[in-house]
Amino acid sequence: AQKITQTQPGMFVQEKEAVTLDCTYDTSDPSYGLFWYKQPSSGEMIFLIYQGSYDQQNATEGRYSLNFQKARKSANLVISASQLGDSAMYFCAMREDFGNEKLTFGTGTRLTIIP
Amino acid sequence: EAGVTQSPTHLIKTRGQQATLRCSPISGHTSVYWYQQALGLGLQFLLWYDEGEERNRGNFPPRFSGRQFPNYSSELNVNALELEDSALYLCASSFTGLRNIQYFGAGTRLSVL
Repeated sequence: AQKITQTQPGMFVQEKEAVTLDCTYDTSDPSYGLFWYKQPSSGEMIFLIYQGSYDQQNATEGRYSLNFQKARKSANLVISASQLGDSAMYFCAMREDFGNEKLTFGTGTRLTIIP
Repeated sequence: EAGVTQSPTHLIKTRGQQATLRCSPISGHTSVYWYQQALGLGLQFLLWYDEGEERNRGNFPPRFSGRQFPNYSSELNVNALELEDSALYLCASSFTGLRNIQYFGAGTRLSVL
């Protein structure tokens, strides 16, 4: 079974609109971390936001927020007021079994911002 | 502050050769991770080094190996290269802790001909 599922291979969004990128996960570990990374065409993976499984509030970092619904096992990324520079691949990732430390990534969503 | 740096940016090898990829972590980070991003296979965890020791290994054959030096920089070696080893190899570093955010470099693109 897929541990991280991103069901949107590609999305087109008008500049300045908000966008939600979907991510669902599967784990039986009560303690885990969820991450979102952005990968522009240059290849570098840029960390955006982190949510711990025990965090009471949804994480926010500037224009990025994480809509964490633990019971549904979803961790959607919301980007407010999208910009042309937001065009990139976006990956959701999970770290479970603390002490293991490896990240398991989803297949990614290619976001294109239209001027 | 400098981020994670990887060298070389591009590497072209032929089948059967050996490749060496290098990574310098963010200052103060003691853990280094290697991931492979191959077309059609997504991002796969390769290796984790912390304090000079290999701590965890992904589902890759033994010809993928590496080490971490006393200054926490790391090398990834791939022996007996195969065509399917062509990929972007990403290095990440972190300061091990509860959040353990892994910060990535720009990668080394390995092409095996």
